[in-house]
Amino acid sequence: KAGVTQTPRYLIKTRGQQVTLSCSPISGHRSVSWYQQTPGQGLQFLFEYFSETQRNKGNFPGRFSGRQFSNSRSEMNVSTLELGDSALYLCASSLSENSPLHFGNGTRLTVT
Amino acid sequence: AQSVTQLDSQVPVFEEAPVELRCNYSSSVSVYLFWYVQYPNQGLQLLLKYLSGSTLVESINGFEAEFNKSQTSFHLRKPSVHISDTAEYFCAVSDLSGGYQKVTFGTGTKLQVIP
Repeated sequence: KAGVTQTPRYLIKTRGQQVTLSCSPISGHRSVSWYQQTPGQGLQFLFEYFSETQRNKGNFPGRFSGRQFSNSRSEMNVSTLELGDSALYLCASSLSENSPLHFGNGTRLTVT
Repeated sequence: AQSVTQLDSQVPVFEEAPVELRCNYSSSVSVYLFWYVQYPNQGLQLLLKYLSGSTLVESINGFEAEFNKSQTSFHLRKPSVHISDTAEYFCAVSDLSGGYQKVTFGTGTKLQVIP
């Protein structure tokens, strides 16, 4: 069974631009979560989607948004990029409510 | 809101020595507990989990963790570490009190195994 796939692996953008990251969950997993990982803040929860509906959202500004498609694939978008948005963005999928999260290898975003 | 504390940000240990990585969480009615490991330039991988039953859980590579409800702890231990165990370890708590799973991670502990 294929794992969680995140594309692209690396991205370099300049301040003010916008970016879209993609995540394909493990087949059969309907829940997809997004996390931002930085050396200073650790793992910060962004949002979680289940069956195309956002169920939970972390404390990030509205520049961070996401969506989930009917095939459970998910995208997150960051508009008006700031230097502080440089981070590793991790996507995770899970099968059910008490199942562990399965993570992708992440997208490393660098904002210059 | 749930919180997870990993007091040690870095733990150096000599190869073949024992190690304990500490994790404490804030009290809740019912939680599920996990340890994840992250190797450089990779995502997190599940190491072990506690959902119910025996309070001592083991992984396939020699790690074990014990759920202690009275102390709200879930410390990770290994009796003899190997160079390949060098990685960052994250403790996580899953809370279903809101009707759906909310996972909170600790800040991570970097385990450095010294040859």
